[in-house]
Amino acid sequence: GAGVSQSPRYKVAKRGQDVALRCDPISGHVSLFWYQQALGQGPEFLTYFQNEAQLDKSGLPSDRFFAERPEGSVSTLKIQRTQQEDSAVYLCASRAGGYNEQFFGPGTRLTVL
Amino acid sequence: AQKVTQAQTEISVVEKEDVTLDCVYETRDTTYYLFWYKQPPSGELVFLIRRNSFDEQNEISGRYSWNFQKSTSSFNFTITASQVVDSAVYFCALSETTSGTYKYIFGTGTRLKVLA
Repeated sequence: GAGVSQSPRYKVAKRGQDVALRCDPISGHVSLFWYQQALGQGPEFLTYFQNEAQLDKSGLPSDRFFAERPEGSVSTLKIQRTQQEDSAVYLCASRAGGYNEQFFGPGTRLTVL
Repeated sequence: AQKVTQAQTEISVVEKEDVTLDCVYETRDTTYYLFWYKQPPSGELVFLIRRNSFDEQNEISGRYSWNFQKSTSSFNFTITASQVVDSAVYFCALSETTSGTYKYIFGTGTRLKVLA
């Protein structure tokens, strides 16, 4: 595919459940970002990968959030013991490198009941 | 501190009107990048433009134009002769170089409604 893909598009979880969100970046893009977008707000940075290395995780809100990109391509954002405040759209973006623009996927809308 | 402010929460215009979306930013970096993205109802952020801090030339792309003024820390976006398809949420974003990651700091967005 030509663009960034994310799955699932929608996820409903009961409070306390673990969830895993997947991101397939554009082929060849070394940089990968995760953002969290609350309703009516702008996206907020969560974490950044350069290839398989997680170079910045300063935006992860708690230790319940974990991200990985083991082979430098697909990435997974995992949220353990979900809470209602985790309800948001999780956006993945990839970038060819440096200061180039980021290309975003369609997002995963997570609803925690 | 780094910050992006989009003071206009929502704007409604009638088709064919011109509309300007405001963006004001704060940064201590001398080298940085500014971006505009469009988020239609489908939710995917669509890249519109990138501008670096050393290039203050205004840019025009079809009905879209951007005005970058370093003196006022603003990067405003104008749509000329608006169309219904322009209805979306528009985000301005700042990317600083000192972070090393070039991660984005977004504004809260401006919802544009273009009425037929």
